[in-house]
Amino acid sequence: VHLVDSGGALVQPGGSLTLSCAASGFTFRSYDMHWVRQTRGEGLEWVSTIGTAGDPYYSDSVKGRFTISRDNGENSLYLQMNSLRAGDTAVYFCARGPLRGLNYFDYWGLGTLVTVSS
Amino acid sequence: EIVVTQSPATLSVSPGERVTLSCRASQSVGDKIAWYQQRPGQAPRLLISAASTRATAVPARFSGSGSGTDFTLTISSLQTEDFAVYYCQQYYNWPHGAFGQGTKLDIK
Repeated sequence: VHLVDSGGALVQPGGSLTLSCAASGFTFRSYDMHWVRQTRGEGLEWVSTIGTAGDPYYSDSVKGRFTISRDNGENSLYLQMNSLRAGDTAVYFCARGPLRGLNYFDYWGLGTLVTVSS
Repeated sequence: EIVVTQSPATLSVSPGERVTLSCRASQSVGDKIAWYQQRPGQAPRLLISAASTRATAVPARFSGSGSGTDFTLTISSLQTEDFAVYYCQQYYNWPHGAFGQGTKLDIK
């Protein structure tokens, strides 16, 4: 199992960014996939989940601003982030959920840094 | 919202010692607790799920226990590679899986 997350950058408040995660080594379409972020002050925070049927779920802190999606043909996971705020500054990890409907994570990407600052 | 609290925040221990880390949930989560290890500059690594089930390739010196609101992670004999930050996570209320603030193991 290998997850490679990318797309992190420095972006101004109010800006947009799309993160990507390339998956390999497992049957991607059969697993829930997730984004988890880590800030210096707040630690680890679940951000978003997409189920095998494409059903999306979001934390209250990003609902309405972030959109999760997946491309099972390309074995890829995405996170479109709009209206970014300073509080969104974090390392973002894509992660695999080993069992449907259970939100814990057995494999993680190395993370990609998003910095929201003017 | 289920809040997860870990204690202590930092623990100074010597290699070879036995150590127990604590995790408490603000309401019952059954056995829906996972433990992760994070070394500096690395992603978290799953150690334990369902409170006591070791993940693939996790050494037997790591064990988890507990149910309801109180959980522990025990490392029977600390190795140098075990000095890291340990997080617990409840995954009882789908899809919100809250993490604790972590316990850092320092070399004494």
